[in-house]
Amino acid sequence: AAGVIQSPRHLIKEKRETATLKCYPIPRHDTVYWYQQGPGQDPQFLISFYEKMQSDKGSIPDRFSAQQFSDYHSELNMSSLELGDSALYFCASLFGRNTGELFFGEGSRLTVL
Amino acid sequence: AQSVTQPDIHITVSEGASLELRCNYSYGATPYLFWYVQSPGQGLQLLLKYFSGDTLVQGIKGFEAEFKRSQSSFNLRKPSVHWSDAAEYFCAVGAAGGADGLTFGKGTHLIIQP
Repeated sequence: AAGVIQSPRHLIKEKRETATLKCYPIPRHDTVYWYQQGPGQDPQFLISFYEKMQSDKGSIPDRFSAQQFSDYHSELNMSSLELGDSALYFCASLFGRNTGELFFGEGSRLTVL
Repeated sequence: AQSVTQPDIHITVSEGASLELRCNYSYGATPYLFWYVQSPGQGLQLLLKYFSGDTLVQGIKGFEAEFKRSQSSFNLRKPSVHWSDAAEYFCAVGAAGGADGLTFGKGTHLIIQP
């Protein structure tokens, strides 16, 4: 069965650079969530989208932005990268809003040097 | 605000022994409860979930969890662990309706002794 696809899987950037992560949800899933997991930490909710509109906002820095496109894929844009942005970024998708069961991608590991 | 507490940061269990990982939640409405497992550098795999109905839920890999509303708990159990169960385990709570995603506990690191 198709799963949530994230790209790139690994990314290395320098401080103050920008990075873009992409997430392709499971087909027919209309809701996308972004999570950030720092080393040894639990996943922290960043932002979510439902039907291409921002649904909820968590602890997403102002330097980050995200959107969901007409094909339901989502992109997380990160600017002015800081060392503390080094983390595993997960995307999760959901069909409808009543099941509550998120399906997670394998994550994109961002390393900021 | 919803929150999840996993009191044990690390747990060491001998292979073949039984396992219980604790999870307590705080949530104002009917919660959806989940257990996820994460191997190093990997994504989150859903072990089991509770939405409603039977309070004892069965999951994959021989895991089960019991929802106890009176104790606000959703503990994960396995009668006999295998070395391959060594991983990080996260309990999570979500709203009925799923609109706001999930709130995760800090995780419990499971170590399996031979």
